[in-house]
Amino acid sequence: GAGVSQSPRYKVTKRGQDVTLRCDPISSHATLYWYQQALGQGPEFLTYFNYEAQPDKSGLPSDRFSAERPEGSISTLTIQRTEQRDSAMYRCASSGGQGRIETQYFGPGTRLLVL
Amino acid sequence: KNEVEQSPQNLTAQEGEFITINCSYSVGISALHWLQQHPGGGIVSLFMLSSGKKKHGRLIATINIQEKHSSLHITASHPRDSAVYICAAWNYGGATNKLIFGTGTLLAVQP
Repeated sequence: GAGVSQSPRYKVTKRGQDVTLRCDPISSHATLYWYQQALGQGPEFLTYFNYEAQPDKSGLPSDRFSAERPEGSISTLTIQRTEQRDSAMYRCASSGGQGRIETQYFGPGTRLLVL
Repeated sequence: KNEVEQSPQNLTAQEGEFITINCSYSVGISALHWLQQHPGGGIVSLFMLSSGKKKHGRLIATINIQEKHSSLHITASHPRDSAVYICAAWNYGGATNKLIFGTGTLLAVQP
């Protein structure tokens, strides 16, 4: 596609529910990143993929968070048993290389609110 | 202490003023990004640089690797430049390959 897209744009859920967020990277891009951005804070790295491989998931806050990219294109970020502290903007980005130094192109984000 | 620090945290300027935002980092980096985030909007990558200086329109970014310092300059500032500006250090090595973000500088340019 022309840019990185994410869905849904907004998600409101009750504490304890599972949520799944989706990212569609730029179609030719090998690398996909997930970030969490709390209100008033800068983005924090969560994890990234080179195609379907996930070399680094050190930023995932807990084992309730998981991400997949099974076919090396679309990725999902799943948060199980959501907690209020999970409320944030979740952004994905993609870049063309396989983790080489390149500009990352960001999607519009999914704003998650856990009640 | 954050690995990437920006100053100032907040900046108010009058239209037309020359603006400088500073970024210092303590980690080893391969490159540094400057990003722009508009209120309620997405993040746009402005520059990626690993040495010297880059210019795009009224924006100029410089980096001094030895001093671990980068600056973003905006010439002839305009109200539409109002946004949060974030620097991010690319820490590339081994299996780790990620951006480390500063806390951002909130810029307001008044007409």
